[in-house]
Amino acid sequence: DIVMTQTPLSLSVTPGQPASISCKSSQSLLHSDGKTYLYWYLQKPGQPPQLLIYEVSNRFSGVPDRFSGSGSGTDFTLKISRVEAEDVGVYYCMQSIHPFGQGTKLEIK
Amino acid sequence: QLQLQESGPGLVKPSETLSLTCTVSGGSISSSSYYWGWIRQPPGKGLEWIGSIYYSGSTYYNPSLKSRVTISVDTSKNQFSLKLSSVTAADTAVYYCARHRHIIPYCSSTSCYSLPVYFDYWGQGTLVTVSS
Repeated sequence: DIVMTQTPLSLSVTPGQPASISCKSSQSLLHSDGKTYLYWYLQKPGQPPQLLIYEVSNRFSGVPDRFSGSGSGTDFTLKISRVEAEDVGVYYCMQSIHPFGQGTKLEIK
Repeated sequence: QLQLQESGPGLVKPSETLSLTCTVSGGSISSSSYYWGWIRQPPGKGLEWIGSIYYSGSTYYNPSLKSRVTISVDTSKNQFSLKLSSVTAADTAVYYCARHRHIIPYCSSTSCYSLPVYFDYWGQGTLVTVSS
């Protein structure tokens, strides 16, 4: 089974400073159709997950350009260029809902 | 803007059947580009995919829940529904409906099945508690 490992598990960032989350999968996420099915979500308390990045590096509609994704194969990164207070929550990298990773909790200093 | 809204009882007795409906607005459930899924999240825990349906009626289920799950679609009402039978306390969770764009083949260590990917729009979720 594919296992997604994120680091760090928690992050405390001063507003305006950058943040970076690493995601490693136990198997390559490059599919036979040439696409890499890797997504980044943010889940705020009491809310459903919201899609930030699809297929490694594409920002979803309405997502601020301070969010960016990169990587290939088994190694991926989410970067926030300047963290804002509204960015707090748990960030997940995932291929799909199932299986589910442990997430990275972002807090504001 | 696409919106999804879950509805159904918030309390279900053990051994009974949980029934939920998702109403889609701002877009057609009959679009050939999307699938419609159910996901749940027990309090304080992670997400679990339950199953998905295509507008044509084709269904895809999580192997671990397949024996208890039925998902159906009503294109005339722009709705799709979930039935989960023989519920126990372990089925207590927030249940979400969501749209996703792809289904890809996937093999775990124990089985091969269809894996949903690219969930883009979600309902706000509804808490279902299983208790007598």
